[in-house]
Amino acid sequence: ETGVTQTPRHLVMGMTNKKSLKCEQHLGHNAMYWYKQSAKKPLELMFVYSLEERVENNSVPSRFSPECPNSSHLFLHLHTLQPEDSALYLCASSQALASGGVGEQFFGPGTRLTVL
Amino acid sequence: AQTVTQSQPEMSVQEAETVTLSCTYDTSENNYYLFWYKQPPSRQMILVIRQEAYKQQNATENRFSVNFQKAAKSFSLKISDSQLGDTAMYFCASSNTGKLIFGQGTTLQVKP
Repeated sequence: ETGVTQTPRHLVMGMTNKKSLKCEQHLGHNAMYWYKQSAKKPLELMFVYSLEERVENNSVPSRFSPECPNSSHLFLHLHTLQPEDSALYLCASSQALASGGVGEQFFGPGTRLTVL
Repeated sequence: AQTVTQSQPEMSVQEAETVTLSCTYDTSENNYYLFWYKQPPSRQMILVIRQEAYKQQNATENRFSVNFQKAAKSFSLKISDSQLGDTAMYFCASSNTGKLIFGQGTTLQVKP
């Protein structure tokens, strides 16, 4: 399988549930990202992992917990979410450049999350 | 802080016509990258075109080209010979220091 895959594609959960989103990249990249996409808002960067270390955490509530066990896999663990957390969650990967910049990011299809 | 602004929430164009999507950005960096991404109704975000700030020549990819004005911090996307499959949301983005900053997006509708 090629590119960036995300599972599940759709998720409905109650506020007291615990669930996890999974992302897998087959591109040999060394950086992975979680974004939140809400209606009528720009993509919000949530977390960045480079070489399996978290390098960015954009003031995301602790009810979102990322995990990057290796350079190909990224998880987002969800616990005690709120209805306003309903959104499309996108995963992306890229190759971090020696200059410190980032190359093209490849995106997964996203997980549509609904919190009841 | 980096910011990216797309001032056109929605646009439409007739099939086979040309349309230009606007983007302005703000950065204090000298070396950075600019991107246009396309997100069709199926939701898979894909890269349309990429520009490196140190290159003066405007990037082109088939029917897609950019007008990169570095001094004005402007990075517009021109789509020539629009096709129905170009209907999508388009996001402008800039990057440096390892992350992308996205604009709010422009929804483009190509009409038959």
